[in-house]
Amino acid sequence: EADIYQTPRYLVIGTGKKITLECSQTMGHDKMYWYQQDPGMELHLIHYSYGVNSTEKGDLSSESTVSRIRTEHFPLTLESARPSHTSQYLCASSVPGNQETQYFGPGTRLLVL
Amino acid sequence: KNQVEQSPQSLIILEGKNCTLQCNYTVSPFSNLRWYKQDTGRGPVSLTIMTFSENTKSNGRYTATLDADTKQSSLHITASQLSDSASYICVVSDRGSTLGRLYFGRGTQLTVWP
Repeated sequence: EADIYQTPRYLVIGTGKKITLECSQTMGHDKMYWYQQDPGMELHLIHYSYGVNSTEKGDLSSESTVSRIRTEHFPLTLESARPSHTSQYLCASSVPGNQETQYFGPGTRLLVL
Repeated sequence: KNQVEQSPQSLIILEGKNCTLQCNYTVSPFSNLRWYKQDTGRGPVSLTIMTFSENTKSNGRYTATLDADTKQSSLHITASQLSDSASYICVVSDRGSTLGRLYFGRGTQLTVWP
């Protein structure tokens, strides 16, 4: 079982608030990812990181930002939440390689009112 | 356009029965194909991975097949259990970038009834 954690698991917040979704892994993986997933839809990559001080934007345009100051920590921040940000956010990590397996956290379900 | 299509969208079966889920892809070039299981409210968990040269891979009651010529894969579940109720996601990786980009299907929602 993968050791990757996300907090909070559920969050209900008002429009305009700043929020940070936490993601931590204890496996020492260099690569980490953030995905957005709506019900019945595919996962969309919004951010990824190759390692410390590396952050890249994914395929889906997102108003969120990420940081990677430590290997084990990859937080995602929304400066001003909007109802359109309501979704499930999944964090994942992997070891680089041709058949790298991504290990996913349990996700954060965000509802913006 | 690189795509991953899964069918059926949803499936209901009785406990103890077998079922087969389908995945068709147009991703090129091709590196590997994975099946993930995602329980409600949880993150996906990898079940199997197959590369171009593999056509069958088993993990307990789960058996995945791959036909790289027709770009089709299936996931067969034998003797289903209530705990098999989940979304099953097909994920295809290309080898055209250093990231090894992943293409996700929308999943098949399987419900197993007692």
